Amino acid sequence: DGGITQSPKYLFRKEGQNVTLSCEQNLNHDAMYWYRQDPGQGLRLIYYSQIVNDFQKGDIAEGYSVSREKKESFPLTVTSAQKNPTAFYLCASSIDSRLSTDTQYFGPGTRLTVL
Amino acid sequence: ILNVEQSPQSLHVQEGDSTNFTCSFPSSNFYALHWYRWETAKSPEALFVMTLNGDEKKKGRISATLNTKEGYSYLYIKGSQPEDSATYLCAFKDFNKFYFGSGTKLNVKP
Repeated sequence: DGGITQSPKYLFRKEGQNVTLSCEQNLNHDAMYWYRQDPGQGLRLIYYSQIVNDFQKGDIAEGYSVSREKKESFPLTVTSAQKNPTAFYLCASSIDSRLSTDTQYFGPGTRLTVL
Repeated sequence: ILNVEQSPQSLHVQEGDSTNFTCSFPSSNFYALHWYRWETAKSPEALFVMTLNGDEKKKGRISATLNTKEGYSYLYIKGSQPEDSATYLCAFKDFNKFYFGSGTKLNVKP
């Protein structure tokens, strides 16, 4: 089955701890993205990667870090510098982010709660 | 940061009703407009990709129109069914990034 997996589904962490959210895809897509959703708001872009070993900041990158060492994987680390990390995090991938018709495929999401 | 707005925020209709909702986006430097459907406990799935002014797309009972000059897109559902209940997201594509609206949550009562 081709798709995007995110783990875990629910994550609890104590304030001040870094936490890494996993995102893996076997669709052979070049581009990958991380979004954050808060109640009443649209998906906001944290980081995106157009190709392996390259990534760019999105609109709300402060307090987050990513890596793209493999095409299939794009982990997101929520650092202690992120002031309000409790949110729902969605990972997505697409074939080629430069194409207007490029459609995103989403994972099931991770709900992070910082206590 | 580009502003993409969707209205209404939520909608409750009876089975069989037809309905529509709006996505507004910047009318300058248009690249593409995407519609996604997000059912509860599932992942968002692509519905339509719209790239040209005047585009009309259709998939079964769902259709969408695009006006890039005035910066809006409409999504129509004809004869709503309970399985249409979901949040409908629009996303303005700015070259290699998407800007999402906050969605319209549709609830169709049997």
